[in-house]
Formats: sequence, C-alpha cells, structure tokens
Amino acid sequence: QKEVEQNSGPLSVPEGAIASLNCTYSDRGSQSFFWYRQYSGKSPELIMSIYSNGDKEDGRFTAQLNKASQYVSLLIRDSQPSDSATYLCAVRAGGFKTIFGAGTRLFVKA
Amino acid sequence: EAQVTQNPRYLITVTGKKLTVTCSQNMNHEYMSWYRQDPGLGLRQIYYSMNVEVTDKGDVPEGYKVSRKEKRNFPLILESPSPNQTSLYFCASSPGGGLNYGYTFGSGTRLTVV
Repeated sequence: QKEVEQNSGPLSVPEGAIASLNCTYSDRGSQSFFWYRQYSGKSPELIMSIYSNGDKEDGRFTAQLNKASQYVSLLIRDSQPSDSATYLCAVRAGGFKTIFGAGTRLFVKA
Repeated sequence: EAQVTQNPRYLITVTGKKLTVTCSQNMNHEYMSWYRQDPGLGLRQIYYSMNVEVTDKGDVPEGYKVSRKEKRNFPLILESPSPNQTSLYFCASSPGGGLNYGYTFGSGTRLTVV
C-alpha cells in the first residue's frame, strides 16, 4: 500500500515566524509532489508543485524535495493568521494516481 | 471563470436509493478524479479518468461507478448507497500528466446516507 504520511498537528506558530510542514512517502517511483491548502469547510487549493530534488520558491512558500530520503516539506515564511488552514501533501505515484496525506493543521497566532 | 462544478452541494438519501453526483469542468482538462474525504483518513481516490472513455479504479472504488462520455463531465454514481458511504466528496480535474499539473477541485458534495 503506497502511503503518504504527515503529522496531523496542530502546528502552532506566532505571526511572522516560519512554519515548517513535513511529509514522507513510501513509493520510490513517485514523480511529482504537491502541496494543497484547505480552509475549514472549503475545497483544497493547489499551492506548490515540485518534481526535482532541491528547493522551489514561490513568494512566501518554499517546497523542498529529497527523493533519497523520500521527504517533502513546505516552508511558509512570515506566517500570517490567514495561513491558518490544513495543508495536504500529495504524491503522484506510478501511473496516474495521486495519493494524499491526511494533512497537517496549521494555526498562526496573531 | 475556470472552475469545476459539482452538484448537489448537500444530499441526504436513504440506503439503497440510487444517486448521481454530477461534475463538470470548463478548462478542457484531460484528467478528472473523484475523492472522498473522511476525518482522520484524508482524501482517498475513488476513480480517475485520463480521457474520454478511459477510467480506472483508485484506492476505494467499491460501491461506486463512473463514466466519462464527454471530456467535460465525470459523474459519480452510487447504485445502492450504504451508510458507510456518508462522506464529503470532491471532484477534481487536471490538464494532464505533466509533472507540474496539480488538481483543481470542485466545491464538494456532502452526502449523508441514512
């Protein structure tokens, strides 16, 4: 069974701090990795995608991928209360399936 | 506006009464998928489709059917719903299999089977 694991949280950080969200996956053949944000009662929305080892930056968000360690992370710099949400890690495994982790709840304290 | 539209948003039904949840996208996306979301279990893939008339099972396909007769539509059919299918359902679409292509999700359908 291919798995994507995330700490359920909640992760609490003060406003302006860096929030670090982590994800591990079991399928070494995985090719693409995604981070989605889901506000309470809403649908997931895509924040970042990454498929090469290293860092990828987009505004306040940085995705990090380490395929050797089967590890993906999302850093949110200058965290804002509006960043409070559940963050879902998703992995496109072999074929066309995309498997999601259960999500990490982030709470940014004003 | 580019979007994935699901209907209905909320549905309460009785065990065994066939139902269909519709999904339509206006972005000419090739990939479409259905997920269910349950507390503590996250999003689990039910079925996905790579193009018209091409569908495959996800991780939890039992009790569900899909069809993809047109590129824009991907309905989810529950032939004989049971209470364990009570869940929040999301339809999603993606341009294709490109490495950077993530999903655009619909607003969700909250289904209760009594």
